[in-house]
Amino acid sequence: DVKVTQSSRYLVKRTGEKVFLECVQDMDHENMFWYRQDPGLGLRLIYFSYDVKMKEKGDIPEGYSVSREKKERFSLILESASTNQTSMYLCASRGSQWGSPSEKLFFGSGTQLSVL
Amino acid sequence: QQPVQSPQAVILREGEDAVINCSSSKALYSVHWYRQKHGEAPVFLMILLKGGEQKGHEKISASFNEKKQQSSLYLTASQLSYSGTYFCGTESVANFGNEKLTFGTGTRLTIIP
Repeated sequence: DVKVTQSSRYLVKRTGEKVFLECVQDMDHENMFWYRQDPGLGLRLIYFSYDVKMKEKGDIPEGYSVSREKKERFSLILESASTNQTSMYLCASRGSQWGSPSEKLFFGSGTQLSVL
Repeated sequence: QQPVQSPQAVILREGEDAVINCSSSKALYSVHWYRQKHGEAPVFLMILLKGGEQKGHEKISASFNEKKQQSSLYLTASQLSYSGTYFCGTESVANFGNEKLTFGTGTRLTIIP
């Protein structure tokens, strides 16, 4: 079975802390994504990466950064956590679109982050 | 900009039909549909590509009107297992090849016995 694994299901942090959310996929996918999910707002794209060390801003990158040192691992970093970053964070991955018009996403189970 | 989904929420009795719509302001080349059950990860349902292709998956099917930049998801004779939140994800022609997939705000579907 294909798998996207997020390191924590629940995380509680204090305002101003540096927070790392980790995501690992075992499908050798080129592309990885970080979304946040909030009631009424759906899934909003924070950052994505199409290759090792490559990254692109999504629709709401402010307050976040990412790191992709290895193909299977994509980390989301909150440099200084704030209460408005309390949310469910979903990681996803998919294969390259070369040779295929579009590929489906595989999602992790999510990390519910609470910033107090 | 996120695609807009409608309705935001719908409650149906088992056996009834539902239509969920997804509309974008951008020219699209693909629309994805996913379903998320409470506390679980979103799960892929289907992809529709530019060309107005209609796809089916058991009693769940979808269409893509590329002229209107709209997609609709059809659930017929709904079952309890269809409950969940449905998301459409879109890839725009302008962003073709850059892997960006933008999701809508979601439609919560509740099926009651």
